Amino acid sequence: QKEVEQNSGPLSVPEGAIASLNCTYSDRGSQSFFWYRQYSGKSPELIMSIYSNGDKEDGRFTAQLNKASQYVSLLIRDSQPSDSATYLCAVRGNYGQNFVFGPGTRLSVLP
Amino acid sequence: DTAVSQTPKYLVTQMGNDKSIKCEQNLGHDTMYWYKQDSKKFLKIMFSYNNKELIINETVPNRFSPKSPDKAHLNLHINSLELGDSAVYFCASSRAGTVLTDTQYFGPGTRLTVL
Repeated sequence: QKEVEQNSGPLSVPEGAIASLNCTYSDRGSQSFFWYRQYSGKSPELIMSIYSNGDKEDGRFTAQLNKASQYVSLLIRDSQPSDSATYLCAVRGNYGQNFVFGPGTRLSVLP
Repeated sequence: DTAVSQTPKYLVTQMGNDKSIKCEQNLGHDTMYWYKQDSKKFLKIMFSYNNKELIINETVPNRFSPKSPDKAHLNLHINSLELGDSAVYFCASSRAGTVLTDTQYFGPGTRLTVL
């Protein structure tokens, strides 16, 4: 059974620090990886997607993928209180397969 | 314009009733999904339709029946509602379910409370 695991948190970091969110997955055939942010009472919104090993940067966000270790992470630089939310990792296998979501990590950025 | 919309936003009903949730997307996407997010915030896929055709049907009680009248709409009908059906139901859509770089866009969610 395909599984995606994340630390549930809460992860607390001070404003301006780097927040590091981690995700591991069980299916070696997974091909695409996504990070979503979900504010309380709102729907998930896509932050980053990554498909190849290595780093992918977008503004303050960096996604890191290591397929050999079955590990994907999200770094948030210069964390802001507005980054406080639950971050969901999603993984997808081969074409046509469904997206599998992790349980999410709750991030709290303290002013 | 809202890309993925759902109605109603809130739904409170009694056990045993039948209810429907509607979803519409104006993104021109071919694939639509229904997810259930329980009180522990776990987001789990229920169904996926590609161009009005069912392609994913996870282990969901047959009291849940999706219907796609066209590729812009995916409705969810629930019969004989149970307490355990209380959750937030999200509709999502993506451009093409068979593309590696396919990404999903979520609707605002429908909070269902069964009393």
